Amino acid sequence: DAGITQSPRYKITETGRQVTLMCHQTWSHSYMFWYRQDLGHGLRLIYYSAAADITDKGEVPDGYVVSRSKTENFPLTLESATRSQTSVYFCASSVTGGNSPLHFGNGTRLTVT
Amino acid sequence: ILNVEQSPQSLHVQEGDSTNFTCSFPSSNFYALHWYRWETAKSPEALFVMTLNGDEKKKGRISATLNTKEGYSYLYIKGSQPEDSATYLCAPDCTYSGAGSYQLTFGKGTKLSVIP
Repeated sequence: DAGITQSPRYKITETGRQVTLMCHQTWSHSYMFWYRQDLGHGLRLIYYSAAADITDKGEVPDGYVVSRSKTENFPLTLESATRSQTSVYFCASSVTGGNSPLHFGNGTRLTVT
Repeated sequence: ILNVEQSPQSLHVQEGDSTNFTCSFPSSNFYALHWYRWETAKSPEALFVMTLNGDEKKKGRISATLNTKEGYSYLYIKGSQPEDSATYLCAPDCTYSGAGSYQLTFGKGTKLSVIP
C-alpha cells in the first residue's frame, strides 16, 4: 500500500522555467491539497481539490496551476518559476475534507536558481 | 487569513516530564481543529481531529482538549520520551459559518525536544 507519493523528492530549476510536481494517492480519497512550507511560516495552502475536475484556490495560489483529471493524481505546475517559489511542497489527501485528517506525502524540495 | 497562535514556540523537557502546549484560534465560524506531529525529515502525521466544544481525545500518552467558545486547544504529553521529540502543529478550520471550508490554517508549531 503506497499511500500518497510525491515526485521528485528534490528539484533544482532555473528562474522562468516551467516545472511540475507530481502527487499520486492510492486510497481514492476525494480531497487533495498542495501546501508549501517556508521558514517563518506555517504550512500554507496553495490549491485544493474536492474531486476530479474540481479545484479551488487556497491562501497562496499565485504563480501555480493545478489540474485533477483523475481522482488519484493532483499535479502542481509552476508556469514560470521564481526564486520566491523556492520551498518545500507537500501534497496531502483526506477522505472528506474539514473533519477528516490529512495524509501527507514526503514532500518535494524545490530550489529555483 | 486566520490568526493561529501556538505557544511556546519551542521547549526542552527532561525524559519523564509531562508537558503541554497551547493553540489559539478565532472562535467564530469554528468547524474543526486538527493536531499533527511532525518529526524532522518526515512528513506531518495526524494526531487528532476535534470538532465539539469540550472534546477530549487521547492517543497513548498524548491527549488534547478543545474549547471552541474561547478559541483554544491544549495538547498534553504525559511522561515525555525522546521519541516524542517533534514539532506539533495545530490547524483550525474556521473559515465558513456552519460548514467546513477544507482550508486548514496551520500554526507555526511548537518544537518539543525531550532530553534523555
